[in-house]
Amino acid sequence: DTEVTQTPKHLVMGMTNKKSLKCEQHMGHRAMYWYKQKAKKPPELMFVYSYEKLSINESVPSRFSPECPNSSLLNLHLHALQPEDSALYLCASSPSGPMGNEQFFGPGTRLTVL
Amino acid sequence: DAKTTQPPSMDCAEGRAANLPCNHSTISGNEYVYWYRQIHSQGPQYIIHGLKNNETNEMASLIITEDRKSSTLILPHATLRDTAVYYCIVRPTNTGNQFYFGTGTSLTVIP
Repeated sequence: DTEVTQTPKHLVMGMTNKKSLKCEQHMGHRAMYWYKQKAKKPPELMFVYSYEKLSINESVPSRFSPECPNSSLLNLHLHALQPEDSALYLCASSPSGPMGNEQFFGPGTRLTVL
Repeated sequence: DAKTTQPPSMDCAEGRAANLPCNHSTISGNEYVYWYRQIHSQGPQYIIHGLKNNETNEMASLIITEDRKSSTLILPHATLRDTAVYYCIVRPTNTGNQFYFGTGTSLTVIP
């Protein structure tokens, strides 16, 4: 299984809602990532987990809360989002370690905040 | 933290080679060059990566200059399905696996 899956594919939420994005991989990768991509812009790194521990937070607002419950699963909990948070949210995974390692990306969740 | 410069857009005739340049003049000795592409509204797809030597796989070739300050991705026989945004990324080997994407090149393959 060389795939990263993300659910849901699309999500529409109001500014007072709480929702979660889910990402899963079964490649034995120990590093997982969340990226945010606005229309016609490159992906922007948000969070990096290494061995289920948060290793990088790129100064992301606290209304985005990541969670890595086990080595295969990565969640992004959303609360009190703003319309400008509407974007494609991409998850990726890679083998951990210092050597050059490709990242495998999921198809993304298209989020719309009303 | 993007350390790469790419032309914003390029066209290529179908069946011809597409040569996509990338400037990474501040690259250091322990940084890899990665290429990814993103077809509209899909997740980025890995193409190829290299450190010093030229690399080739079933998708593309990567030519890195001797001083490593620039590289070229070559798609040998472009097809309409190669129309995408191509990202060149430099990634250090000793500070983790994070990628910082540059603005990329939008490649359009023309019939």
